[in-house]
Parts: sequence; C-alpha cells; structure tokens
Amino acid sequence: QVQLVQSGAEVKKPGASVRVSCKASGYTFTSRSHGITWVRQAPGQGLEWVGWVFPYNGNTKYAQKLQGRVTMTTDTSTSTAYMELGSLISDDTAVYYCARDPGDYRVDHWGQGTLVTVSS
Amino acid sequence: QSMLTQPPSVSGAPGQRVTFSCTGSSSNIGASYDVHWYQQPPGTAPKLLIYNNINRPSGVPDRFSGSKSGTSASLAITGLQADDEADYYCQSYDTSLSGWVFGGGTKLTVL
Repeated sequence: QVQLVQSGAEVKKPGASVRVSCKASGYTFTSRSHGITWVRQAPGQGLEWVGWVFPYNGNTKYAQKLQGRVTMTTDTSTSTAYMELGSLISDDTAVYYCARDPGDYRVDHWGQGTLVTVSS
Repeated sequence: QSMLTQPPSVSGAPGQRVTFSCTGSSSNIGASYDVHWYQQPPGTAPKLLIYNNINRPSGVPDRFSGSKSGTSASLAITGLQADDEADYYCQSYDTSLSGWVFGGGTKLTVL
C-alpha cells in the first residue's frame, strides 16, 4: 500500500530555514505519472497549496506567495522528497503535509504531517 | 481569502442528507478544471473523498457524491453518521495563480 512517512516536528527561529522530508513507499517513486505535492495548514486554519515536485524529471512548481523562499527536491535513490523553506516568519508556523499527486491536479495519499513552529 | 468559497459550517442529524457548496470563478472551476473534495476529521491528515468532480476512490461509501456545474461544485452526504463529523475542503486549479486553490473548508457537525 502507498505510504508517505514524514520527518518529525521542528522548532525554528525567525529568519532560519527548515527542511522537511517525506519518504515514499508502495509505488514507483519515479513513475512518469506521480509527483509529490506539499500542502500546509496553519493552526486552526484551512489548507494551503505550497507546490509540487515530479521525481521523474525534477520539475517543480511553487505557490506564487512562496516563490524565492521554497525549494523542493527529491532523492530517487531513497524515494524521498524534501521541502525546504527559508527566511522563516511566524506566519509559516503550520503543519506541512506531503501527498502523492497522480498528475491531474489532485492528491490521493497523504503523509502524517510535520509541525513546523517558528518562534523567537 | 480563498479563491474557492465554502460556507464555514453545516449541520445535520443522523440519517439526514447534507450538502456542501464550493463556489469558484472563470479562472478555476469555470475554466473547466476539475474539483476534488477532501475530508479531514479532527487532528488527522486530510483524505481524498471525491476526485474529478464525481468519482469516489475505492473504499469511500456511495453515501458520498459530487457534482459540478458552471463555476460551482457540490458535495452531498446521505445517511449522515456521527463519524462523518469533520472539515470538508474543495480544491481545484486556478489559471490566474498558476497553482492549486483550496476552499476555506466547511465544518460538518452531526447533531
């Protein structure tokens, strides 16, 4: 079965960077059909799309408001996707989810989420 | 402010039918992009409920159904159960943002 297991919670100071990992299993990570999408959810708030990465060719697409601060990469040797967010501000405090993207602007399996707290 | 508008809350008694609306615009739902629905019970990760407007992933009961018309979409739940209590989000693609958009979510309370 498809599983996405994310790294543990992080606490960072404003201005720092954070990297969250997402290890995939149960399907072909480098399939032409599947990407990894990242979605975040601030405390008590709704879902917000962060961006996606396609392990097959490394292509990425980021939300306009996070352009320049977010980088998504993959390590195909370990079937792991990474999301790095820099120049952190308090508004970046959220649970960050990775999810499998079957290539038609949706996700079908989700990771368990990683809480990133930005606090001085 | 979300590009897709959802009412903040909906409620219903066990056994009843409830509907959730999702209103978009000509740059997302109205541009023929599909709508997807996710269910998020409290304290858990979201789960795909309906994809491509009307389709249910395997394992999702046929009590859940979706529809789309013009710049809006709807989710319906029949035979409401206590464990349906959750937040429900619609999602689509938006050409003006060149990215995905989510609705603000609707909280379902089962009375």
